[in-house]
Amino acid sequence: AQSVTQLGSHVSVSEGALVLLRCNYSSSVPPYLFWYVQYPNQGLQLLLKYTSAATLVKGINGFEAEFKKSETSFHLTKPSAHMSDAAEYFCAVKEDSNYQLIWGAGTKLIIKP
Amino acid sequence: GAVVSQHPSRVICKSGTSVKIECRSLDFQATTMFWYRQFPKKSLMLMATSNEGSKATYEQGVEKDKFLINHASLTLSTLTVTSAHPEDSSFYICSASAGTINYEQYFGPGTRLTVT
Repeated sequence: AQSVTQLGSHVSVSEGALVLLRCNYSSSVPPYLFWYVQYPNQGLQLLLKYTSAATLVKGINGFEAEFKKSETSFHLTKPSAHMSDAAEYFCAVKEDSNYQLIWGAGTKLIIKP
Repeated sequence: GAVVSQHPSRVICKSGTSVKIECRSLDFQATTMFWYRQFPKKSLMLMATSNEGSKATYEQGVEKDKFLINHASLTLSTLTVTSAHPEDSSFYICSASAGTINYEQYFGPGTRLTVT
């Protein structure tokens, strides 16, 4: 069965510092992988997605993620954090043969001034 | 990009009443819509999947008689919470997709339901 693990329910970084949000997945077949961002009291916005093309995926707002099959990981990074990046981030996985998204528990990103 | 709207964004209702939430795809035809529920500081929980013109498929543990879903057109799905109770208070999010397996889901902004 598919599952998604996001390590750390809260991650705190200083403004200007590197952002690293971790996501590991389990899937028996090559998956589609997604990162979504949710600002308070809002819906979800797609940051980026991996769909079996390039392993390094660039998304919006300066975020990128690298698909590493050997590590079953899809960690989200941003070189320099901005105050506006403070939000909840969700990793999700979908198998090619299934329409459902399987969600991680989410990581709240806190940006310190 | 594809836009999905939800109405209302916030609603307060009294216990025992019913409330309807609308989900609309504004610039594409959504053959499939999904309804999620999000508890405070938790991830999304899929409630049901609806395909236009057919009955919704509910996830295990979701009461279909309490959470009525209608997907009557390719741009509109509604979720009606019947006989609402305070424990139904939650953030409800819909998403829409132009297909099923290989199509991306586009999310609405969510509806905050508070039952008093």
